[in-house]
Amino acid sequence: QKEVEQNSGPLSVPEGAIASLNCTYSDRGSQSFFWYRQYSGKSPELIMSIYSNGDKEDGRFTAQLNKASQYVSLLIRDSQPSDSATYLCAARVNYGQNFVFGPGTRLSVLP
Amino acid sequence: GAGVSQTPSNKVTEKGKYVELRCDPISGHTALYWYRQSLGQGPEFLIYFQGTGAADDSGLPNDRFFAVRPEGSVSTLKIQRTERGDSAVYLCASSLGAQNEQFFGPGTRLTVL
Repeated sequence: QKEVEQNSGPLSVPEGAIASLNCTYSDRGSQSFFWYRQYSGKSPELIMSIYSNGDKEDGRFTAQLNKASQYVSLLIRDSQPSDSATYLCAARVNYGQNFVFGPGTRLSVLP
Repeated sequence: GAGVSQTPSNKVTEKGKYVELRCDPISGHTALYWYRQSLGQGPEFLIYFQGTGAADDSGLPNDRFFAVRPEGSVSTLKIQRTERGDSAVYLCASSLGAQNEQFFGPGTRLTVL
């Protein structure tokens, strides 16, 4: 059973703080990982993808991958109220195969 | 259009009826995915097309669900004898190729009464 786990939250952080979102996956064959943001009533939007161990930075967002620990995280620096959304972690096992999504973590950035 | 489009945006039907949900992917994207999302859950994979063929349909819950992509572009998800448990948002996504990031459409909210 391929599983992706996330804390459902809500995770509340004050504006300007760093929000840290975590994700673990069960299938060691997972090769690529994705973070999506989903606003209420909207469809998921891709934020970042990560394929190799280590950090990947894009603006205020940093994705971290540790394949040995089967752990993926997303850091959001200088959090803004507009970052308030559900963040979905997804893993893909083989190229062309389906994505397995976690249940999402609800983030609330308080002004 | 620039993005993935889905029609209808909302569909209300009665238990036992047949429904079709349509997805128009981003032009040039060869891979197309269908997902189902219930409230408070992440998207649940249903089926993946590479071109015209279903490369992975392992997520279809039972034989009431079927999907086609006859010309390798637009796809239709078909649900027979709908049940109340089929109520969810049905999401379509496309990607340039199997190894690329997926981009989602706005979804179709299906309500089975």
